[in-house]
Amino acid sequence: EVQLVETGGGLIQPGGSLRLSCVGSGLTATTNFMSWVRQAPGKGLEWVSVFYRGGDTHYADSVKGRFVISRDIFKSTLDLQMNSLRVDDTAVYYCVRGGGGDPFDLWGQGTLVTVSS
Amino acid sequence: EIVMTQSPDTLSVSPGERATLSCRASQSIGTRLAWYQQKPGRAPRLLIHGISTRATGTPARFSGSGSGSEFTLTISSLQSGDCAVYYCQQYLNGWTFGQGTRVEVK
Repeated sequence: EVQLVETGGGLIQPGGSLRLSCVGSGLTATTNFMSWVRQAPGKGLEWVSVFYRGGDTHYADSVKGRFVISRDIFKSTLDLQMNSLRVDDTAVYYCVRGGGGDPFDLWGQGTLVTVSS
Repeated sequence: EIVMTQSPDTLSVSPGERATLSCRASQSIGTRLAWYQQKPGRAPRLLIHGISTRATGTPARFSGSGSGSEFTLTISSLQSGDCAVYYCQQYLNGWTFGQGTRVEVK
């Protein structure tokens, strides 16, 4: 079964940093676009960041300058380095295959990030 | 930013009846419209993309239609397992989602 698995979530204080990782059979060297999407508790879906196979990256305004997306093609991993975390970054973060002109066709199970003092 | 607006917020439908969900974009998005289903405690799942193309594994009772900036997801005969929140998404210019429609069995 094709899948994606996220790790790295947890409880962190405001201003802290956390690194999320995603790995799985759904992430290969030929995957064109990979994204992170988040969902605050009881809320809707918000796109966070995308990594294009060519190396381009894009970020939502709400995380620009604080989050960095990266990808290791050889290890088939996708990471999200989250710095200067704020209370409103609290959410389940999903690793997702898709972006660019493609829909999000494969989702990981999500990892919960809680930013609280 | 393209804003996506869904209606209604909650839809109660009897088993076997038709459910019709609406989605409006703040501007024309061509065919770059997808629908996702999210059941409680689970990750979203792609149901339909390109307005009307069912994703692998999507039952035939789910259909998408529309054009320009007005779109519809129809569940032809609601089953209890279809209770979920449904999100529309545009992927023409960035990636934005509607606020979701919760479908309940009456």
